[in-house]
Order: sequence, then C-alpha cells, then structure tokens
Amino acid sequence: QQPVQSPQAVILREGEDAVINCSSSKALYSVHWYRQKHGEAPVFLMILLKGGEQKGHDKISASFNEKKQQSSLYLTASQLSYSGTYFCGTEWGNEKLTFGTGTRLTIIP
Amino acid sequence: NAGVTQTPKFQVLKTGQSMTLQCAQDMNHEYMSWYRQDPGMGLRLIHYSVGAGITDQGEVPNGYNVSRSTTEDFPLRLLSAAPSQTSVYFCASSYSGGHAEKLFFGSGTQLSVL
Repeated sequence: QQPVQSPQAVILREGEDAVINCSSSKALYSVHWYRQKHGEAPVFLMILLKGGEQKGHDKISASFNEKKQQSSLYLTASQLSYSGTYFCGTEWGNEKLTFGTGTRLTIIP
Repeated sequence: NAGVTQTPKFQVLKTGQSMTLQCAQDMNHEYMSWYRQDPGMGLRLIHYSVGAGITDQGEVPNGYNVSRSTTEDFPLRLLSAAPSQTSVYFCASSYSGGHAEKLFFGSGTQLSVL
C-alpha cells in the first residue's frame, strides 16, 4: 500500500518555506525522500531511519515520527532549483521501497 | 562511471508484441529493481532482486518477467504488450537493498503500446 503524500501540489514564491508530509498505514523501518525534475530520473535527497531522527541537507531537512508513522520534508527559503516533484518512499523491513504519488512543487520568482 | 544504464530510451510497440528493457549497473550493487511511473500514480514497484539468481515481485508484477543471471544486469521482459503497459520505466539499484541504502536510478525508458 502506497504512503499518502500531502499536499499534492504547492506553488511558492522564491524565499518562502514549504512542508511536504508523508503518512503510512504500516509501521516504518525507514523513509526515503527523492526529487524528480521533469523528464529526468528521481534523485536521492535523504533517508531517515526509525528512531525519530531529523536530518538536514542544505536548506532541506526532514523528520521522522515513528509513532505516528509519518515523515515531513521541510524546504526553507526555497530556491528556483527546488522545483520538481518530491516523492517519499517507505520501507517496512521487507526490502521493498514503496513510493507515494508525489508532491509537485513549483517555485516562482 | 556510468552508474545505471537503461536501453532503449524510447520504444513503441504494437499490442501483443514482446520486448526486453535492458538495465545494467557498474557499481557492483546487489539490489536492483524496476518501477513504472504513470501520471498521478507515482513510482510503482514491478519486480526486484536482492542478488544474482534471486528475484521477487513488487506491487504490479503482472505482465512482466525478470531474471538476474549476473550482478550487473536486470532485464525486464514484456511477453505480450498491452496498452495498459504504456508508461515510463525506471531501473534502480542500491548496494544491498537494506532500508538504509539509497537508490540510484537509470534515466528511464518511455514505452508506448498502441
């Protein structure tokens, strides 16, 4: 069963912040985050392991709430290069990475 | 360093035809997988392999076959193509497939079945 991402789409002005959420109906071992530009392959951003950690990657960070079975991706002071579709992938200890349907992020000048 | 290489990049088939999508990686990764991407559906796992000689089904395996005779190659076979298999296909690999391993994706194959 695919994780549920929200929102499905968001439009921001350069410099604004965004939060993308990812929820699972099953207990998670890990959450992956990827970004895909139009016409390109998905590119890895970060992995969060169960344990409730938070990770950072430049101005992009993420949290993982194991009890709530959800993760959030935070983009601060967004740049034009952040535009794309963001996917969370969830793994339940079975070596299958299941992706959500994606969140399309558009940054306008 | 080529990473994950997929061929062809584009393919048009007629209903009922068969074909093989090729995927090769040169990173000595044990784990390889195939996803299909359709508008609004995200990436859906078709088949995956945790090592040579071992394959297993993902979420949407029907209509597709795979084999893994070497560590480097993981071809995806469509035995009798159907219009519902029109999609963009991505091959991905990781070092071991564990939950802490990131996936490296190929550039994709855009397949149209008429």
